[in-house]
Amino acid sequence: RKEVEQDPGPFNVPEGATVAFNCTYSNSASQSFFWYRQDCRKEPKLLMSVYSSGNEDGRFTAQLNRASQYISLLIRDSKLSDSATYLCVVTSRSTDKLIFGTGTRLQVFP
Amino acid sequence: EPEVTQTPSHQVTQMGQEVILRCVPISNHLYFYWYRQILGQKVEFLVSFYNNEISEKSEIFDDQFSVERPDGSNFTLKIRSTKLEDSAMYFCASRGSGETQYFGPGTRLLVL
Repeated sequence: RKEVEQDPGPFNVPEGATVAFNCTYSNSASQSFFWYRQDCRKEPKLLMSVYSSGNEDGRFTAQLNRASQYISLLIRDSKLSDSATYLCVVTSRSTDKLIFGTGTRLQVFP
Repeated sequence: EPEVTQTPSHQVTQMGQEVILRCVPISNHLYFYWYRQILGQKVEFLVSFYNNEISEKSEIFDDQFSVERPDGSNFTLKIRSTKLEDSAMYFCASRGSGETQYFGPGTRLLVL
């Protein structure tokens, strides 16, 4: 089983749509959780950390379910500029290396 | 805003040659990392470095790879004898006291 699994997509949505991405992780000792965004041929950039209580940053909402080992990202009112690959990332207690999923590609069209 | 920088942006080399990829982490950061991303695949951890020594390395980081912090600002990744399968984007990252790792723009390495 992969350490971090994501649906690769692509998700093609119109501007203004709401879209949700899911991610599962296999290591129950995982401690920190993040969503990174990666534009084509660019470096990953932190979008947001994910906390157990769930957290929101503008149009973006992240949720964590430790019991199910499941992380989600919701994007409301999609913009053209949201088109990118969204990477689910975890670390464990014993290490600070980032473990990446393969990413979910989002394409927002006019 | 401070950022991680990497040079060169692109490197083409012949199989068997040595390459050195350079990174300048954010100035007050103490934790440094190298990751790589083969085209079309996920980002993979290579090595972490703290207090002038390797903290952790992955299976990918074999004897052909080495890292160094030769002075107070640079952090380098050396591949001693490149193979075709080393072709990838190599990202440097750094971290301060928080948990967020900040990535540089990457070096695209092509081994012919």
